[in-house]
Amino acid sequence: DGGITQSPKYLFRKEGQNVTLSCEQNLNHDAMYWYRQDPGQGLRLIYYSQIVNDFQKGDIAEGYSVSREKKESFPLTVTSAQKNPTAFYLCASSGRGQGYNEQFFGPGTRLTVL
Amino acid sequence: GQSLEQPSEVTAVEGAIVQINCTYQTSGFYGLSWYQQHDGGAPTFLSYNALDGLEETGRFSSFLSRSDSYGYLLLQELQMKDSASYFCAVRDPTNFNKFYFGSGTKLNVKP
Repeated sequence: DGGITQSPKYLFRKEGQNVTLSCEQNLNHDAMYWYRQDPGQGLRLIYYSQIVNDFQKGDIAEGYSVSREKKESFPLTVTSAQKNPTAFYLCASSGRGQGYNEQFFGPGTRLTVL
Repeated sequence: GQSLEQPSEVTAVEGAIVQINCTYQTSGFYGLSWYQQHDGGAPTFLSYNALDGLEETGRFSSFLSRSDSYGYLLLQELQMKDSASYFCAVRDPTNFNKFYFGSGTKLNVKP
């Protein structure tokens, strides 16, 4: 079955540590995204990638980094520079271009900073 | 920039009809999407409207008025499982692959 996987589902981190969240898709989609969701809030875009080896900052990129070395994978690193990293992180993918209107989301990773 | 406004919460009873509104302000427009998200889950795509009018998909319908910068999601024959948050979303007019989401409307369905 095609889809998006994220791991781990729950992640605990001590202050000052970097942590990497995994996102893999087998939908053959060019575009991939990382969103942050805080309780009772909408989705805010952290980074997105339209094609392999290319990515752009979203609205809240500070304290985060990404890579896109393979079409299937788009890992997100939450660095110690991110002041308030506790949140629900969602990865998504879609076809690239105006004709692709649906984003497919992974199950999310809930990050808690202790 | 882009902004989308939705009511924060709506309550309705099982079997009823409920409408969730979304008004948007964008420098350009390429359609309005709707997503459903159950607590702790992933958002799932419901519908997309590029042109004015009503699109029906089973119990759910979505409406768009581009002249009013307004759309809504209509849920009929409400079921308990429809209790979830609903988000509207638009594309960035300068980058088709970038989306902006509203803050979401939490729908509470009561017996």
